Amino acid sequence: GESVGLHLPTLSVQEGDNSIINCAYSNSASDYFIWYKQESGKGPQFIIDIRSNMDKRQGQRVTVLLNKTVKHLSLQIAATQPGDSAVYFCAENPPYNNNDMRFGAGTRLTVKP
Amino acid sequence: DTGVSQDPRHKITKRGQNVTFRCDPISEHNRLYWYRQTLGQGPEFLTYFQNEAQLEKSRLLSDRFSAERPKGSFSTLEIQRTEQGDSAMYLCASSERDRGLANEQFFGPGTRLTVL
Repeated sequence: GESVGLHLPTLSVQEGDNSIINCAYSNSASDYFIWYKQESGKGPQFIIDIRSNMDKRQGQRVTVLLNKTVKHLSLQIAATQPGDSAVYFCAENPPYNNNDMRFGAGTRLTVKP
Repeated sequence: DTGVSQDPRHKITKRGQNVTFRCDPISEHNRLYWYRQTLGQGPEFLTYFQNEAQLEKSRLLSDRFSAERPKGSFSTLEIQRTEQGDSAMYLCASSERDRGLANEQFFGPGTRLTVL
């Protein structure tokens, strides 16, 4: 079946560097995407979302890019901080069910001081 | 704390026993979701409620799983005759009615179930 996946399971960056976390999705009909951050022992925390009619959306220190041609989603974190260390998930919503959130397996980001 | 709360945070049970978890959503949220998360994986959608109506339950893992939200506020997830494969984190989330762009789901801390 179709699923959301991630290119890399782990990512290690130096504090202050920019981070890029990638996600490949396979359901070309999906029209809504969300990035979540999950720290150890906690539930996922919403970071940023994007609709399929957009290709870029910016938040505070984070930017999500959507490339529908290759079904690719990325999360960019500027000036990565130790507090950004966590597992990051992308999730997609197929258009037929706005509440059917499909998550990928996640990328663990480790920020080195 | 006005976030989503779940109880208990941890549950250890023996195979064959029934377990029930509770979720209290953010008070003004009318949508409530249950997910299961196994180690190293993303959350897996199980079911969701709008107010007290369970609008999607086809993704519940088996007929041993059931969920209720009798008064449209808190919800319970019950697993009957637990199996070792049920060991996982069970997450609850809530959201407001879809406002167009955002369908932001706020997650609770989860209940970690261990079946011995």
